[in-house]
Amino acid sequence: DAKTTQPNSMESNEEEPVHLPCNHSTISGTDYIHWYRQLPSQGPEYVIHGLTSNVNNRMASLAIAEDRKSSTLILHRATLRDAAVYYCILSRTMNRDDKIIFGKGTRLHILP
Amino acid sequence: DVKVTQSSRYLVKRTGEKVFLECVQDMDHENMFWYRQDPGLGLRLIYFSYDVKMKEKGDIPEGYSVSREKKERFSLILESASTNQTSMYLCASSSPPTGIYEQYFGPGTRLTVT
Repeated sequence: DAKTTQPNSMESNEEEPVHLPCNHSTISGTDYIHWYRQLPSQGPEYVIHGLTSNVNNRMASLAIAEDRKSSTLILHRATLRDAAVYYCILSRTMNRDDKIIFGKGTRLHILP
Repeated sequence: DVKVTQSSRYLVKRTGEKVFLECVQDMDHENMFWYRQDPGLGLRLIYFSYDVKMKEKGDIPEGYSVSREKKERFSLILESASTNQTSMYLCASSSPPTGIYEQYFGPGTRLTVT
């Protein structure tokens, strides 16, 4: 399975944009990029996913490098509620049998 | 609002006991999953199911079994609990045709085996 590399932790100020990087240099052409986050004392929640093009939704934006070897999750205006562990995950396909493998993620601290 | 519920937030059991962890989802999802989460190891998949009475082993199935008699309910069973099964257990569900796309997670059950 292709592997992802993320910084262990990051800090950002409240109300500023946050860019969370993820490296996946061994990504294959059919791998989807998914982001989940886990708030304290909660289960993970889906944030966003993409294949080749940049993606936006109500929670965040996903910027995917042209060679797809890296991606960045963008929170446009961080709030204290965004303090969480963010996981970048690859899946080979979108099939039901494809397993999800969570790495250690990036712990994001938001400073008031 | 979509919901995945787990029977207990905290559970303490003794070594050798049989333990049942229940998970219920109200979204009519076909796919359901059990993970455990440990510090430094992240989330690891134990078992998953993509239909009633169907089950597939994940990465660490040893010491566990599962049951899916109804679509909305997926149970994780520890036949004889051991201290190394002390962990946070997370249930998730998703809709087909995708397995990992937009999984909805429950709040977790923190199990302590003494």
